[in-house]
Amino acid sequence: QKEVEQNSGPLSVPEGAIASLNCTYSDRGSQSFFWYRQYSGKSPELIMSIYSNGDKEDGRFTAQLNKASQYVSLLIRDSQPSDSATYLCAIQAGSNYQLIWGAGTKLIIKP
Amino acid sequence: ETGVTQSPTHLIKTRGQQVTLRCSSQSGHNTVSWYQQALGQGPQFIFQYYREEENGRGNFPPRFSGLQFPNYSSELNVNALELDDSALYLCASSWVPGQSTDTQYFGPGTRLTVL
Repeated sequence: QKEVEQNSGPLSVPEGAIASLNCTYSDRGSQSFFWYRQYSGKSPELIMSIYSNGDKEDGRFTAQLNKASQYVSLLIRDSQPSDSATYLCAIQAGSNYQLIWGAGTKLIIKP
Repeated sequence: ETGVTQSPTHLIKTRGQQVTLRCSSQSGHNTVSWYQQALGQGPQFIFQYYREEENGRGNFPPRFSGLQFPNYSSELNVNALELDDSALYLCASSWVPGQSTDTQYFGPGTRLTVL
């Protein structure tokens, strides 16, 4: 069983709508959770980090964490074509707090 | 821009050759982690260096080795290259390992193609 799972997509969302991205994980001891955005051929770029249950908002982005259910999600409000990218979920685990990654969800925002 | 730099940007090698990839960490960071990202997959942890010592290793064979220098820059060496080593190699720097709120910042990556 994969440690971090994401729907590979593609997820197609109309411009201006809310995009919802989900991620589940298996390590109950995980304490830190991250969402990265990756454009084709580029390196991952940190969007949000979340450490406590509940919601965390930053501009158009909201991360939601539910440790009991072992899922973390990312909402993107007022989606723009520039949001089209692959979104990677990562959790910090292990004795050296390495990042464990999902395979990513490809998001397409249609004008 | 994260302040993390990597060189070279692209590299083409043939099977059996050796390669060295380089990374300069963000100013003030003392930890470097290396990841391999195959096409269409998430990054896979190779190893991490903290203050010039290896501080953890993923499921990669010994032909993947590394170094960290006193200025906290780092090298990733891969010997006896195989076709499956073709990937984007990512370097990430952070301040202190072993803390749950440790955030890693990525360089632009090195695209390695093995023919």
